[in-house]
Amino acid sequence: DARVTQTPRHKVTEMGQEVTMRCQPILGHNTVFWYRQTMMQGLELLAYFRNRAPLDDSGMPKDRFSAEMPDATLATLKIQPSEPRDSAVYFCASGLTGTRNIQYFGAGTRLSVL
Amino acid sequence: EDQVTQSPEALRLQEGESSSLNCSYTVSGLRGLFWYRQDPGKGPEFLFTLYSAGEEKEKERLKATLTKKESFLHITAPKPEDSATYLCAVQSILTGGGNKLTFGTGTQLKVEL
Repeated sequence: DARVTQTPRHKVTEMGQEVTMRCQPILGHNTVFWYRQTMMQGLELLAYFRNRAPLDDSGMPKDRFSAEMPDATLATLKIQPSEPRDSAVYFCASGLTGTRNIQYFGAGTRLSVL
Repeated sequence: EDQVTQSPEALRLQEGESSSLNCSYTVSGLRGLFWYRQDPGKGPEFLFTLYSAGEEKEKERLKATLTKKESFLHITAPKPEDSATYLCAVQSILTGGGNKLTFGTGTQLKVEL
């Protein structure tokens, strides 16, 4: 059963620390998306990649967030330094262009910054 | 800018009590409208995609419909296991092949015995 895998599932850290979240997209998918979900804002797109190239990261605070795809099986989202307002659930999704454009989501990383 | 508004924010139904969820949207050329289901502590799970006005899709007790301005998710004779948050999202033709989605904030559905 193909699925998007995210690690860690939960992360508690202190303000100022670096946080790295990882995502393994579904094998064969060529698009990867990072979302942030909060009660107030819902699901917000932070960044997305096609064929490992960043297409749009306008949703990310550039001074502290960075997203990369070192290879086709790994996407990372880093926050440095982290702040309490970054507390949220971060989702990764993957998809395949040229199909029905469906995005498949991972289970998310719940981040708490104290 | 693409926008998606869902209503109501929350809905409580008795088992067997049919109802509809609304998704109003504005988009610069609709490529597709998507419905997802999200259970607590989990990621959104794909339900349907609708591509053009007049289109309908069905899955078990759920039926999604689409007009030029809104989509409805009809729930017929719901059961407690249908309790979840239902998310609507749109994809614009202007995003090209990137598959970018703009989500609404969801309708939290609770079905009681």
